[in-house]
This record gives sequence, structure tokens and C-alpha cells, in this order.
Amino acid sequence: DSGVTQTPKHLITATGQRVTLRCSPRSGDLSVYWYQQSLDQGLQFLIHYYNGEERAKGNILERFSAQQFPDLHSELNLSSLELGDSALYFCASSDGTVTEAFFGQGTRLTVV
Amino acid sequence: TQLLEQSPQFLSIQEGENLTVYCNSSSVFSSLQWYRQEPGEGPVLLVTVVTGGEVKKLKRLTFQFGDARKDSSLHITAAQPGDTGLYLCAGPRSGNTPLVFGKGTRLSVIA
Repeated sequence: DSGVTQTPKHLITATGQRVTLRCSPRSGDLSVYWYQQSLDQGLQFLIHYYNGEERAKGNILERFSAQQFPDLHSELNLSSLELGDSALYFCASSDGTVTEAFFGQGTRLTVV
Repeated sequence: TQLLEQSPQFLSIQEGENLTVYCNSSSVFSSLQWYRQEPGEGPVLLVTVVTGGEVKKLKRLTFQFGDARKDSSLHITAAQPGDTGLYLCAGPRSGNTPLVFGKGTRLSVIA
């Protein structure tokens, strides 16, 4: 158990819909990272938050957004969903040193 | 263009065999990490290598960081079915930035 909790574990939704994925980092970790994993692209970095502030953006679409709340949990919002958004979405947390990242079990999103 | 190239992409071997998987880049990394991911789970950190030429051992797994800090290898001795999984290498693109990952080597060890 990494200590990082992601909910829900599975999500099936229709094209055009909006979903919210939730992540609770390890106790004491201030950094939260979101990654998308697909079979052909591997793990792609989406966005990084540190203590409530956005620190870095990766390959995140404009239809996607995220935030980190005062209690340090984070949410990833995906809107106007397309079939190609079907993937595994992972959250990872660290104490701020990027060399130690702990991953949650992921949310498997299926867009139909 | 993938910053970290892993090879081979797939590897299927018999229990008891030895194997080596590779992680290569044209860029210098301050550190590289290796993760193992099993189906339905998130990646689990195995090791971090920091110094060029560094060798770290974790039971039957030996990790090496290239002298120029552009590549790394993972050697498994006497592979077991429990070693089956997706092996990912990752590193910070520069400084204290989020990790970039290779696409991984999918290892299957057959009993």
C-alpha cells in the first residue's frame, strides 16, 4: 500500500460528459502529480501541484483541469469527454523531492 | 520523441533465466528511477540511482546507472514468475521537475 488513495477505481461514462477523479496523497506529502497511461503512449505527465499551487503542466488538454485543496487532496476534472480519453489516470505524491514518487492504484476511465 | 527509450518492449523468458532490460536517453539525467507495475496497480518504486556508474542491488535485481548518466540497466538473476510485470524507468527532465517515463518493458516469466 503506497498510502496514496484514488477514487473511483473504475468509471464508465458517455462521450461529452464530465467526470471528477479524486486523489488523497500520502500523509505529509505536499506534491501531487497526475499522469495518464495509455497502451500506446505510456505514462504521460499531466499536471503538478505543490501545497495548493500549480507548479508544472505537461500534456494536459484544455478540457482537463485540476486543483489541490487546503487539505492537500486533489481533483482532476475531465470534461467534454471523447473516446480517446479512455485511459488509466494515476495520481502520485511526494514530499517535494521528485526522486521519490508514490503512486495510487489509478482510475480506469472508459468513455463509450 | 520519447525522452527515455526502453528495450526490449516485450520479453518472455523461462523461470530461472537471467535477463537485462535497458533504458536509454540522449539527455543527461540527474537521477533515474526504476518502477515495476502489475496489472490493475500503480507503479511501485524499486530504486533510484543518482551517481554516474552507480550500481545498486535489490535481492536478485541489479541496477546500473551509466557513467554519463544517460542510460541505465536492470539485470534480473534467476527470474521468477513473481518478477512478471511492466518495468518502467523514469527521471526528472531537469532539476526538480516531474518525472518523465519510458514506455516500459513488459516482462513475462513462465514457470
